[in-house]
Amino acid sequence: EIVLTQSPGTLSLSPGERATLSCRASQSVRSNYLAWYQQKPGQAPRLLIYGASNRATGIPDRFSGSGSGTDFTLTISRLEPEDFAVYYCQQYDSSLWTFGQGTKVEI
Amino acid sequence: QLVQSGAEVRKPGASVKVSCKASGYIFANYGISWVRQAPGQGLEWMGWISAYTGNTDYAQKFQGRVILTTDTSTSTASMELRSLRSDDTAVYYCARSITARYFYMDVWGNGTSFTVSS
Repeated sequence: EIVLTQSPGTLSLSPGERATLSCRASQSVRSNYLAWYQQKPGQAPRLLIYGASNRATGIPDRFSGSGSGTDFTLTISRLEPEDFAVYYCQQYDSSLWTFGQGTKVEI
Repeated sequence: QLVQSGAEVRKPGASVKVSCKASGYIFANYGISWVRQAPGQGLEWMGWISAYTGNTDYAQKFQGRVILTTDTSTSTASMELRSLRSDDTAVYYCARSITARYFYMDVWGNGTSFTVSS
């Protein structure tokens, strides 16, 4: 089973700043099988990025994904107040889906 | 959208069944994953079912204790969890799953909270 480790656990930033979130896999992940989600308190997760770098429908272009192999990154170019949330990466391999433990982006 | 059944309370050792009704798309064309989130914790994938074939994949942790089913006549997916323990207390989500060129969950249900307590 591929384990995803996200870092940092918490990112303390201000609106307008750039956020860089890391997702590291214990084995190589096919880029098409790597996604990112945003979750706010009391809400269901929302898909942000699929295939490592493709923005989902309606996602602002300040969100971008990159990476390959075992290292993937979610970047928020300029934080808006509504971006303060928890972010999860997710991968699929050999009929198993796994999530990272999450990165909280806080003010 | 995906609309889930309401909150439940169960005693340890009991079973619970959560439903997830789909609308606005062709149900049989997609799979459904089930993901849970314990209080204050992260997301945990439990399993996936093809709405078309009924084929399933389960996380090893839940093998033998969870059963996923679908009913294409009502566009409803269901998740039954047996032999409940207190650490099964969580919010349970269904999510439409893309499993072709890409693998991801693009539409999520509203979540069903269930509490396991004696």
